[in-house]
Amino acid sequence: EVQLVQSGAEVKKPGESLKISCKGSGYSFTNYWIGWVRQMPGKGLEWMGIIYPGDSDIRYSPSFQGHVTISADESINTAYLQWSSLKASDTAMYYCARHFVFSGSGYADNWGQGTLVTVSS
Amino acid sequence: DIQMTQSPSTLSASVGDRVTITCRASQSISFWLAWYQQKPGKAPKLLIYKASSLESGVPSRFSGSGSGTEFTLTISSLQPDDFATYYCQQYNSYSNTFGQGTKLETK
Repeated sequence: EVQLVQSGAEVKKPGESLKISCKGSGYSFTNYWIGWVRQMPGKGLEWMGIIYPGDSDIRYSPSFQGHVTISADESINTAYLQWSSLKASDTAMYYCARHFVFSGSGYADNWGQGTLVTVSS
Repeated sequence: DIQMTQSPSTLSASVGDRVTITCRASQSISFWLAWYQQKPGKAPKLLIYKASSLESGVPSRFSGSGSGTEFTLTISSLQPDDFATYYCQQYNSYSNTFGQGTKLETK
């Protein structure tokens, strides 16, 4: 069974750094793209980017490029999303998801449970 | 970026109804479109990929159609478990985008 298990909820102050994680199991982690999707409170889904753990190829949405960093550690089957300086507007639920990529950026067939990030002074 | 526009934003329907949600792309995306269902407090769930391919385990009352710039998701006979928010997503380009969502609510 494919499972993606995300790290727990975080409460941070503006300007702080943060790295959240997503651990995959039940499939070959290095052979599938894995990515991140943001959902701000009461809003829709926003695709942030994906990484291919096998060779660390990364594709970012232009909306998020430069604001976050996506990475992966294939030795522990874990993907990461990190911020160097959080803003209040980063407050959101963040989902990781395994992607099938055929053209461009792909669709997500399995999702993590979500990590709630709250940024408040 | 390719923009995705869903209609309607909210849809009121009853159990047993046939419902259709439309998704339009700002430029042709061939058949590179997926549909997701999301319930409150839960992660999205993949329903349809490649415009009309049903994801394994998804009930056959869900179907997708379309190509190019216009797509539809149809639920043939609405069940109580289907009241949720539905999103389309294009993945034709390097950077994919979601529609704004359609909330399916009880009439």
